[in-house]
Amino acid sequence: KQEVTQIPAALSVPEGENLVLNCSFTDSAIYNLQWFRQDPGKGLTSLLLIQSSQREQTSGRLNASLDKSSGRSTLYIAASQPGDSATYLCAVLPDGSSNTGKLIFGQGTTLQVKP
Amino acid sequence: DTGVSQDPRHKITKRGQNVTFRCDPISEHNRLYWYRQTLGQGPEFLTYFQNEAQLEKSRLLSDRFSAERPKGSFSTLEIQRTEQGDSAMYLCASSLPPQGANYGYTFGSGTRLTVV
Repeated sequence: KQEVTQIPAALSVPEGENLVLNCSFTDSAIYNLQWFRQDPGKGLTSLLLIQSSQREQTSGRLNASLDKSSGRSTLYIAASQPGDSATYLCAVLPDGSSNTGKLIFGQGTTLQVKP
Repeated sequence: DTGVSQDPRHKITKRGQNVTFRCDPISEHNRLYWYRQTLGQGPEFLTYFQNEAQLEKSRLLSDRFSAERPKGSFSTLEIQRTEQGDSAMYLCASSLPPQGANYGYTFGSGTRLTVV
């Protein structure tokens, strides 16, 4: 059974710092991996999607990497800003669910960027 | 099309009452998903539609839960005889097939249910 874990559960950094959020998954048979952002009381916004054949994806100050064989992904945020404060969720689409699109989520990392 | 819409945003109900939530997906998305998220946890899959057909249901979806997607457009999620354990954020999402070039998962803002 696929399990997704995110460490740490919470992180507080001063503005301007570069930071890394971690995601690990137990079964390497994944179709893709996505990172989402969730603001308090709101829905999820897709940030980056990495296909299983890819190693990384970049969007602005965000860079996500994927190491399928070791079951790990990282989300790198450069030059953090207070507006980056949110919960970041990692989700995998297992190979066996590639037809359904059913995602398995981690618990999330809640990031606070202090001015 | 402005994205996935969910209604209501918040619902407070007394234990034992029935509630119904609505989700309007992105019009060209044939796949629609319902997830449930409790405080401090990631979303958990509840059920999935491809067009009007409900193709998969999680074991989390007890007999008190029913979901429909008539005509493959909007979807409703009904919870009968609500219990305090049903308190959660109910998230709807829609997508195109994962194999396609335009695959993308779009979530709505969710319906926050509080059972008192």
